[in-house]
Amino acid sequence: DAKTTQPPSMDCAEGRAANLPCNHSTISGNEYVYWYRQIHSQGPQYIIHGLKNNETNEMASLIITEDRKSSTLILPHATLRDTAVYYCIVRSLYNFNKFYFGSGTKLNVKP
Amino acid sequence: GAVVSQHPSRVICKSGTSVKIECRSLDFQATTMFWYRQFPKQSLMLMATSNEGSKATYEQGVEKDKFLINHASLTLSTLTVTSAHPEDSSFYICSARPGTSGSGTQYFGPGTRLLVL
Repeated sequence: DAKTTQPPSMDCAEGRAANLPCNHSTISGNEYVYWYRQIHSQGPQYIIHGLKNNETNEMASLIITEDRKSSTLILPHATLRDTAVYYCIVRSLYNFNKFYFGSGTKLNVKP
Repeated sequence: GAVVSQHPSRVICKSGTSVKIECRSLDFQATTMFWYRQFPKQSLMLMATSNEGSKATYEQGVEKDKFLINHASLTLSTLTVTSAHPEDSSFYICSARPGTSGSGTQYFGPGTRLLVL
């Protein structure tokens, strides 16, 4: 499974866009990039996923570079409730589609 | 949609006893469920993969005789921590993957906090 590298923490002002980077330089062509977040003492919440194309939903946008070696999760207007640990995961198509979590990025949204 | 529940949310038990944790997919059928463990200030660690009607597969280093997993139906998986000890105290989280999900998205339960005294 591809490893992912994320900064341990980031700060963002409330109302501003939060851009969370993730490196996955060893990703294979058929591996998806997933983003989840975990608010303290809760289970992870699905945000978005993609393969090659950029994706957008009601929560966020996912920008994947053309070489697929990195991606950025964008929260367009961060709120205090977006404070959480954000995990970037590369999902293997084999072995029952397991997820292996890295250490994630702690996003601190500040007033 | 895609809601996963866990029961109980918190449990305290004495050392040496067994604890059962239930994971249910409420509005979809899950052919595969996963169990994770999370220690304080650490990330989630995958423990095992559970497929309905077959034996669970465990990650390296996870004792299958200590962490018994049963996936008896398409909506229920259980994790039993046998002869629990204080070092088993942790946050246990399950996830479920819909059988119709071609992308493999997993939906997570709210977690169960286990404290072994």
